[in-house]
Amino acid sequence: DTGVSQDPRHKITKRGQNVTFRCDPISEHNRLYWYRQTLGQGPEFLTYFQNEAQLEKSRLLSDRFSAERPKGSFSTLEIQRTEQGDSAMYLCASSLWDSLRETQYFGPGTRLLVL
Amino acid sequence: AQTVTQSQPEMSVQEAETVTLSCTYDTSENNYYLFWYKQPPSRQMILVIRQEAYKQQNATENRFSVNFQKAAKSFSLKISDSQLGDTAMYFCASRVGGNYKLTFGKGTLLTVNP
Repeated sequence: DTGVSQDPRHKITKRGQNVTFRCDPISEHNRLYWYRQTLGQGPEFLTYFQNEAQLEKSRLLSDRFSAERPKGSFSTLEIQRTEQGDSAMYLCASSLWDSLRETQYFGPGTRLLVL
Repeated sequence: AQTVTQSQPEMSVQEAETVTLSCTYDTSENNYYLFWYKQPPSRQMILVIRQEAYKQQNATENRFSVNFQKAAKSFSLKISDSQLGDTAMYFCASRVGGNYKLTFGKGTLLTVNP
C-alpha cells in the first residue's frame, strides 16, 4: 500500500491555459473522489467515480472541468481555459466501497496557481 | 443539506497538555458518520478518528478521543498529552450513510508549543 499519489504537486499557469492533474489511488480501491480546497476553507466535493463510472458531479464543477477514470484505475482532472478563481488545492481521495464503514484516504494534493 | 461548523479558527496548547477542538454539525438524517482529519503543514490529510452516529460509545484512538453529543449535534476532539507532531490543521467532517461525499468544516489550526 503506497497510498494515494498525485501529480504534479504544484502547477503555475497563465489564465486561459489548460491544465491536467493525475491521481493514482490505492490499488484495488474502487472509489475515487476529487475535492477542491481554497485558502481558509475545508475541502469541497467536486466529483467521484465508482470504478470507471463517474456517478456524481458537484455544481462547483463547471463545464470547463472534466474528469476521467479510464479502466477504473488512475484518474485525471482537466481544467480548460483556467481562470484566477480556479486557484486552489485539488485533492484526490480513494476508498474501498464495501460497506457503510468506507474510509476515504487522501493524496497530497495538487496546488494550482492561475496568474 | 449537511453543514459542519468549526468555530475555532486557531488554537494553541503546550506540549504534554490536553486540548479540545469543537465541531457542530447539522443533518436531518439518522444514519451518518463523523470524522476528524488532520492535515499537517504541506502534508496530506490523514484520518484521525471516526464515529458512527448509531454508536453511543465515544470513539477513542490512543491519545485522541471524541465527545459525541448526538442530541446537541456536537462532535469535539480531545487530544491528550499533546505532541509537537500534532501541530496541524484539523478538519471535522460528516458523511450521510449510504452517501459518498464528505462535508468538511473550515478547520482549526492547532499549534503545539514546546
